[in-house]
Amino acid sequence: DVKVTQSSRYLVKRTGEKVFLECVQDMDHENMFWYRQDPGLGLRLIYFSYDVKMKEKGDIPEGYSVSREKKERFSLILESASTNQTSMYLCASSGTGLFYEQYFGPGTRLTVT
Amino acid sequence: AQKVTQAQTEISVVEKEDVTLDCVYETRDTTYYLFWYKQPPSGELVFLIRRNSFDEQNEISGRYSWNFQKSTSSFNFTITASQVVDSAVYFCALKTAGNKLTFGGGTRVLVKP
Repeated sequence: DVKVTQSSRYLVKRTGEKVFLECVQDMDHENMFWYRQDPGLGLRLIYFSYDVKMKEKGDIPEGYSVSREKKERFSLILESASTNQTSMYLCASSGTGLFYEQYFGPGTRLTVT
Repeated sequence: AQKVTQAQTEISVVEKEDVTLDCVYETRDTTYYLFWYKQPPSGELVFLIRRNSFDEQNEISGRYSWNFQKSTSSFNFTITASQVVDSAVYFCALKTAGNKLTFGGGTRVLVKP
């Protein structure tokens, strides 16, 4: 069974804090993704990685950075959290190729006050 | 650019009624995959079905069926004889080259007993 885990289900941070969201997958997938989900907007891709130390910007990368030092781990970093980054953050992983679906973690609901 | 539109934001039905979710997509690619995901109240997106751009055969899997029509760029999804456990947000997604998914805005389905 594919498992994607995220470090926290709920997180409350203050404006200006540096925030780390961790994601780990156990299926040896090459590709990992970070999305944010907001009501009415669906899922929007922040960053993705297709290999260790490789990353590509998604649709809304501003205010975020990522790190992938090991194949199974993909971190999302909010350098200086702001209230407009309050959202649900979802991590996913997949094999390479059009056929493969993405497997999602349970999500982290981040509130920035 | 890719785009997925789910015009229905919320559908409410009574148990045992059928529910059809609409999905319209845009892409210039000739090779692509379409997916449906379910997001129950627990938050984790779960993969349901996929269809590739060369296979327009409609299929049934248990209580789920889907209707893919390339001529109208639509990939509709039907739940037959709905149950309370089908209450969730359903997302349609498009995958073209590059391993990224483009999601629609989601349709919330509420099945009342």
